[in-house]
Amino acid sequence: DAGVIQSPRHEVTEMGQEVTLRCKPISGHNSLFWYRQTMMRGLELLIYFNNNVPIDDSGMPEDRFSAKMPNASFSTLKIQPSEPRDSAVYFCASSPGQLFNQPQHFGDGTRLSIL
Amino acid sequence: AQSVTQLDSQVPVFEEAPVELRCNYSSSVSVYLFWYVQYPNQGLQLLLKYLSGSTLVKGINGFEAEFNKSQTSFHLRKPSVHISDTAEYFCAVTGSNFGNEKLTFGTGTRLTIIP
Repeated sequence: DAGVIQSPRHEVTEMGQEVTLRCKPISGHNSLFWYRQTMMRGLELLIYFNNNVPIDDSGMPEDRFSAKMPNASFSTLKIQPSEPRDSAVYFCASSPGQLFNQPQHFGDGTRLSIL
Repeated sequence: AQSVTQLDSQVPVFEEAPVELRCNYSSSVSVYLFWYVQYPNQGLQLLLKYLSGSTLVKGINGFEAEFNKSQTSFHLRKPSVHISDTAEYFCAVTGSNFGNEKLTFGTGTRLTIIP
């Protein structure tokens, strides 16, 4: 069965450009998470959705970051304008149910480089 | 607030030797605990989880972990490692107070298997 699908796998862009990362969760999962992974800060939860509704976005670093989930099978994370310090690997994960005691299934991530 | 400490950032082990990766947690409530593995250029995969019941938990790929409430630990063990176990391992905790506390990840332990 298909896992969590993220696109693109790699993105290199110049500072100031808009970046859009995409995620397709596992069918039937109703919770979706966006994480950022860096050497300095490790794995950070940016935002999570339950039944397409944003529940907690307290991890979003600043207003340049926004996330949407227009339907159960698609989510986007947008950075506008992008800055070099946004360079990281961004992961999307999904899980059944709405509680954090459910195992999360991760995509392979998008490696983002902002020049 | 909850936290996770993985004291060892890197652990080199000879092939077919046993290994233990240490994880200690801090939480004001009862906890659910997880170990995830991340292979190069991939997302995290669940190895095993402790929700309740037996304190010895068996996971995939021959790994097991023991929940020790008095020592607030959840160490991961494998009796004989293989080259394919080379990866980064993350311990994670969430409070079992309705399971709605965000998952907190440790900083990871890089396991390197020496042939």
